[in-house]
Formats: sequence, structure tokens, C-alpha cells
Amino acid sequence: QQPVQSPQAVILREGEDAVINCSSSKALYSVHWYRQKHGEAPVFLMILLKGGEQKGHEKISASFNEKKQQSSLYLTASQLSYSGTYFCGTENSGGSNYKLTFGKGTLLTVNP
Amino acid sequence: NAGVMQNPRHLVRRRGQEARLRCSPMKGHSHVYWYRQLPEEGLKFMVYLQKENIIDESGMPKERFSAEFPKEGPSILRIQQVVRGDSAAYFCASSPTPFGETQYFGPGTRLLVL
Repeated sequence: QQPVQSPQAVILREGEDAVINCSSSKALYSVHWYRQKHGEAPVFLMILLKGGEQKGHEKISASFNEKKQQSSLYLTASQLSYSGTYFCGTENSGGSNYKLTFGKGTLLTVNP
Repeated sequence: NAGVMQNPRHLVRRRGQEARLRCSPMKGHSHVYWYRQLPEEGLKFMVYLQKENIIDESGMPKERFSAEFPKEGPSILRIQQVVRGDSAAYFCASSPTPFGETQYFGPGTRLLVL
């Protein structure tokens, strides 16, 4: 089942913050976050495995709620290099783990 | 440590021809995944392979598409008798183990069918 990402697109000025959400109707095994620039490969950002987990660097971090049905990606003090499309990929609990099901993506544009 | 390698990067085929896409996983990775991305859309899972075995091909069309990962050499995604709807970017990813592990993506092969 495809996770739902929101918003579909967001435009920021350099230095502003953004939150991107990824939701599923069922509990997930894991959530993987990627960033893809136009014409390039998706680049891995981070993976969350445990309910209630938070991880990441200073300016890019993510959380996984206790029920393991929602993850949020936090981008603070955005830089021009953050521009791209952000995808969450989810592994389902039970059944076939390993197969990532990706959301439709969130297009982030950071302007000077 | 070289990343995931894919070739060719761009491939142009006429309708009815065959397309052969290659993927060499990262060193030490024995799990390979193929995804397809249509313009302005997310990635769609196609097939998951380990060395010499197809583990899950549930995302791959039953006809014209096949994949292999031989004991020696790269993984190959083969599309026979291509049609215009096959035009897309095809990404390969690899991981050291399959569960809850990071999948590292290659640069992709952009297939254009004329």
C-alpha cells in the first residue's frame, strides 16, 4: 500500500524550515527517506525502525511515531542544496519486508 | 568503495527492439532491487533478486520483462519488444541484507522508446 506524502510541494526562502509527512494506514516495519534531484539517483538520507524514534543531523532530522504509521522529515534553516524531491519509502510489517513502497514525493524548492 | 553502477545511462530503442539494462551492486552487497520511475512519479518496485535467485517479481509485468542476477557478473533487466509505455528511468538498488537495511541506488538508466 502506497504511503501518502504531504505536502506535494513546498517553496521556501533560504533559512526557512519545512516539515514533510509520510503516512500509512497500517503499521510499518521501517521508513526510509531519500532526496532526488532532477535527473539523478535518489540519495539515502536516513532510516527509522523503531516506534518513537528520532534521528538525524542538526538540520535534517526525522521521527517515527509510536504506532509506526507516520514519519516526518524536518528540514531546518534550509539551504539552496536542499532543493529536490523527497520520497519516503516504507517496508510493511509482516509479509514481504525489503520491498520499498514509495510515496509520490514532495517537491521542495529553496530560493535565495 | 564504488557505488552501485548502472549502464547504459541512456538507451534509445525503437518499438519492437530489446532493451538490456545492467546493474553492478556495491561491493559486498548480494541483494539487488529494480525500480521503475515514470516522469513526475515515485519509484515503483519491480523485482528483488539475490545471486542466482529471483525472490520477488511481483512488481514486474508478466510479459516481455525478465530479470536475472547470475553468480558472476551484473544483474540484468531485459525488456523484449519494447513499447512506448516502457519509456522511463530504471533504477537499481543494492543492500547487504534485505531487512530494514539501507538500499543504495545507482544513477539509473533512462530508456526512451521511439
